[in-house]
Amino acid sequence: DSGVTQTPKHLITATGQRVTLRCSPRSGDLSVYWYQQSLDQGLQFLIQYYNGEERAKGNILERFSAQQFPDLHSELNLSSLELGDSALYFCASSPRLVRGTDTQYFGPGTRLTVL
Amino acid sequence: AQSVTQLDSHVSVSEGTPVLLRCNYSSSYSPSLFWYVQHPNKGLQLLLKYTSAATLVKGINGFEAEFKKSETSFHLTKPSAHMSDAAEYFCVVSDQGSQGNLIFGKGTKLSVKP
Repeated sequence: DSGVTQTPKHLITATGQRVTLRCSPRSGDLSVYWYQQSLDQGLQFLIQYYNGEERAKGNILERFSAQQFPDLHSELNLSSLELGDSALYFCASSPRLVRGTDTQYFGPGTRLTVL
Repeated sequence: AQSVTQLDSHVSVSEGTPVLLRCNYSSSYSPSLFWYVQHPNKGLQLLLKYTSAATLVKGINGFEAEFKKSETSFHLTKPSAHMSDAAEYFCVVSDQGSQGNLIFGKGTKLSVKP
């Protein structure tokens, strides 16, 4: 158990809808990262927040957004969902800002199915 | 651009035999390299990482990897496979050193036969 929690575990929704995925980082970790794992694209970095501020962006679509709250939990909002958004979404956390060398601790993921 | 190539999508070994999972990287920076493991229906777990210290890196569960700059490789090895090693393994490079984002390889699925 990494100490990172994600809810819900599974989410089934329809095209055009909006969903929110939630992540609680390990105690004391200030950085939260979001990743998408799909069969065709593999594992891709989406976005990083550090202590409430956005710090880095990867291949995140404009329909997707995230935020980190004062208690350091984070939410990933996915809107106008398309079939291709079906994937496993992981949250990870680390103590510091240094994402390139620090160990990232991954949650169990949220499996999103868009019908 | 930084990238990582895992040379085998699937590796099958017998229990008790050595494991070799191959990874080549491309990086303009002094690279940070990682191996993560993903067991079925679980999140990713760090096995080991290289961040410019010793070139032979020891990780958890008996795994180790050697950073070879001349060959741009970071292969993962284990002397004797266990059934519990069956999982998917990801080689990862940071695309801009310490300030970079993580770039994941496509993964290698390891099967272990009894």
